[in-house]
Amino acid sequence: AQKVTQAQTEISVVEKEDVTLDCVYETRDTTYYLFWYKQPPSGELVFLIRRNSFDEQNEISGRYSWNFQKSTSSFNFTITASQVVDSAVYFCALSGGGYSGGGADGLTFGKGTHLIIQP
Amino acid sequence: DSGVTQTPKHLITATGQRVTLRCSPRSGDLSVYWYQQSLDQGLQFLIQYYNGEERAKGNILERFSAQQFPDLHSELNLSSLELGDSALYFCASSIRAGNTIYFGEGSWLTVV
Repeated sequence: AQKVTQAQTEISVVEKEDVTLDCVYETRDTTYYLFWYKQPPSGELVFLIRRNSFDEQNEISGRYSWNFQKSTSSFNFTITASQVVDSAVYFCALSGGGYSGGGADGLTFGKGTHLIIQP
Repeated sequence: DSGVTQTPKHLITATGQRVTLRCSPRSGDLSVYWYQQSLDQGLQFLIQYYNGEERAKGNILERFSAQQFPDLHSELNLSSLELGDSALYFCASSIRAGNTIYFGEGSWLTVV
């Protein structure tokens, strides 16, 4: 079975601080996909990034960066110079390889990390 | 705007009733997924359809059913509603399994 663990339930930082959200996953699939989504107070789920299991390159997009380490089954998310607008719940999620993998194709989500950026 | 459209956005109904949630996927997406988000259970995968056929099933109750129509829109039917069914129901879509999954804004269901 697949599992995603986001150990940090809530993080509170002051604006402009850097913050890292942790994500650890478990899967028996050899091909899988990792995602991060943002859920602002309005409720919608906003896609941030998708990474496949064969691509361990780190990714940077503006103030956001992601560190994928297969050896530790982690896919951590860092926000640099945080802003109040970054306040949201962030979800890490995992999906199997679809037709090449077993189980559901749907996403298995972590419990989410509630990030509070104080002005 | 993700391109996934869900209706209604908000719904209040009584216990024992039946409701239907509707979803239009992004243009070109063949896969539709339904998720339930509640405070105690978090985000739970319910069911997936691919090009009209059921592809995968998650934690979907027997009182719930779904289908995907030839025009690729999908409906989630919730019957014999209980207070515990109150939740935010998301529809999502992707071109195929493994591709990026985009979510609609959700349908807030309140059972009273």
